[in-house]
Amino acid sequence: DGGITQSPKYLFRKEGQNVTLSCEQNLNHDAMYWYRQDPGQGLRLIYYSQIVNDFQKGDIAEGYSVSREKKESFPLTVTSAQKNPTAFYLCACSISGGYGVNEQFFGPGTRLTVL
Amino acid sequence: RKEVEQDPGPFNVPEGATVAFNCTYSNSASQSFFWYRQDCRKEPKLLMSVYSSGNEDGRFTAQLNRASQYISLLIRDSKLSDSATYLCVATRVRDMRFGAGTRLTVKP
Repeated sequence: DGGITQSPKYLFRKEGQNVTLSCEQNLNHDAMYWYRQDPGQGLRLIYYSQIVNDFQKGDIAEGYSVSREKKESFPLTVTSAQKNPTAFYLCACSISGGYGVNEQFFGPGTRLTVL
Repeated sequence: RKEVEQDPGPFNVPEGATVAFNCTYSNSASQSFFWYRQDCRKEPKLLMSVYSSGNEDGRFTAQLNRASQYISLLIRDSKLSDSATYLCVATRVRDMRFGAGTRLTVKP
């Protein structure tokens, strides 16, 4: 079955710790995205990558880092510099990220709570 | 001002009702538009794309008005299972902009 997976589903972190959220897809899609969603708000773009070994900052990249060493993987690290990291994190992919963006397919999300 | 704006609702309707949601977008260069559905504490799932000529998928009809920069979603014969939050999406050059969503509750 083709799809996009995220792990873990729930994650608890102490203040001051870095954590890495996993995102894997086997859809052979070129573009991958990370969003965060807070209650009552829309999705906000953190980082995106259109091809392997390339990625760009989204609207709220401060306190986050990513890598794209493989086409199928796009891990997100939430660093201690992120002031308010408690949120629902969603990873998505699309066939390509060119102009006229194609629909995105989402993973099940990781719910991060900072204690 | 947010790039994509939606009435947050909630819309509370009885089963069998027809309900319509509107969404406005500010970026006139947006090329593609979508409606996503998001259940509570779940990921968004693509409901349908929105085409300039309007398109229908069963009980769902989507319309796009480029001149006025708004998108609409019409749900006919509402089912209990339609209860969810509906997200409006407009694309930019390399990414998408999501509205905050309109919450729908269909009641027996």
